[in-house]
Amino acid sequence: GENVEQHPSTLSVQEGDSAVIKCTYSDSASNYFPWYKQELGKGPQLIIDIRSNVGEKKDQRIAVTLNKTAKHFSLHITETQPEDSAVYFCAAIVGAGSYQLTFGKGTKLSVIP
Amino acid sequence: DARVTQTPRDKVTEMGQEVTMRCQPILGHNTVFWYRQTMKQGLELLAYFRNRAPLDDSGMPKDRFSAEMPDATLATLKIQPSEPRDSAVYFCASGLLVSGVTEAFFGQGTRLTVV
Repeated sequence: GENVEQHPSTLSVQEGDSAVIKCTYSDSASNYFPWYKQELGKGPQLIIDIRSNVGEKKDQRIAVTLNKTAKHFSLHITETQPEDSAVYFCAAIVGAGSYQLTFGKGTKLSVIP
Repeated sequence: DARVTQTPRDKVTEMGQEVTMRCQPILGHNTVFWYRQTMKQGLELLAYFRNRAPLDDSGMPKDRFSAEMPDATLATLKIQPSEPRDSAVYFCASGLLVSGVTEAFFGQGTRLTVV
């Protein structure tokens, strides 16, 4: 089955700096890679996703890149703000119509004012 | 603002008692997932429904867990009897198949504590 590794497990950045979280996956058939943000006491919130036919996707301060050859994808947050502090999860899904998301272990991001 | 609604938000129960968790998926979504989150295991898929039919419950302990969708607006996850190791946050997510993949949207979760 799919295996998703996520690094780092914790990340502290100064407000205004950039943050990068990286994930690797094992199954070359994986074709969908969402990122979730989870705040304390809340459910994971889908913030951005990318499909295997795209190399990069941006949404305001958030971007995701995908390298299919190396089987890794990354989340980039620019101009970080205190409200970006949360746990971020990457995930991967395999196959057309597939449903099972395999999650990374999460990255706790702290943005220091 | 469409969202997945879960009840209760918190549940404390004694070992051996029955626990029922409820989920109202986003209107129009035809897919429902149940996940369990623990510090040790992270997010684990317990069950999956499409068009109210259970398609995969391989992640659930069959002897004590059951999941159903009595109608399109309600999904339930039941544990009977509950055990301390069931203590976790249980999330329901709903989704829609879009261009070959299902985007999943999570509810706020039910925090279960079994004492």
